Amino acid sequence: GENVEQHPSTLSVQEGDSAVIKCTYSDSASNYFPWYKQELGKRPQLIIDIRSNVGEKKDQRIAVTLNKTAKHFSLHITETQPEDSAVYFCAASMIGGATNKLIFGTGTLLAVQP
Amino acid sequence: NAGVMQNPRHLVRRRGQEARLRCSPMKGHSHVYWYRQLPEEGLKFMVYLQKENIIDESGMPKERFSAEFPKEGPSILRIQQVVRGDSAAYFCASSPWGGNEQFFGPGTRLTVL
Repeated sequence: GENVEQHPSTLSVQEGDSAVIKCTYSDSASNYFPWYKQELGKRPQLIIDIRSNVGEKKDQRIAVTLNKTAKHFSLHITETQPEDSAVYFCAASMIGGATNKLIFGTGTLLAVQP
Repeated sequence: NAGVMQNPRHLVRRRGQEARLRCSPMKGHSHVYWYRQLPEEGLKFMVYLQKENIIDESGMPKERFSAEFPKEGPSILRIQQVVRGDSAAYFCASSPWGGNEQFFGPGTRLTVL
């Protein structure tokens, strides 16, 4: 079945530095790749997503890149701030198929040190 | 426009009891997904429903778990004869149609004593 691997599991950066989280998916039919941020005890919140017809998408300090050939996608956060500290999950899905379930990575705990 | 609602937010059950978790999707959303998050783990897909239909239940345990999304009212995830391993956060998400982003509710944290 579909599998999504996510690295690293923990990431500590200094405030102002950049953070990069990488994911790999196994099902080449996947065509939708969202990223969720989850603060402790809270709901996952969609922060950015990308579809397979584009290679990069940016929203202020957050960007996502997609390499369909290698089946890799990455989240880039620039100028990190303490409020960026949270667990980040990548996910993959096949929109338009029989199901639109999200297959999640195992999460990355990002700690931004002030 | 209210977001996805879930209740109860916290639920404590003793082994062998039943747990009923409710999810009201965002207004205008007719697709509901249930995910389970074990402590310090990622989210695992359980079931995908549209009104009165189960579309994909490939992530549901074969026994004790069931889900429904009736024509009227919230979606319900039902766990019969709960065991300690059922302790987890259960999140539902909704989307306006099957091909769009999913918005998550606040979750129900189930504790089985």
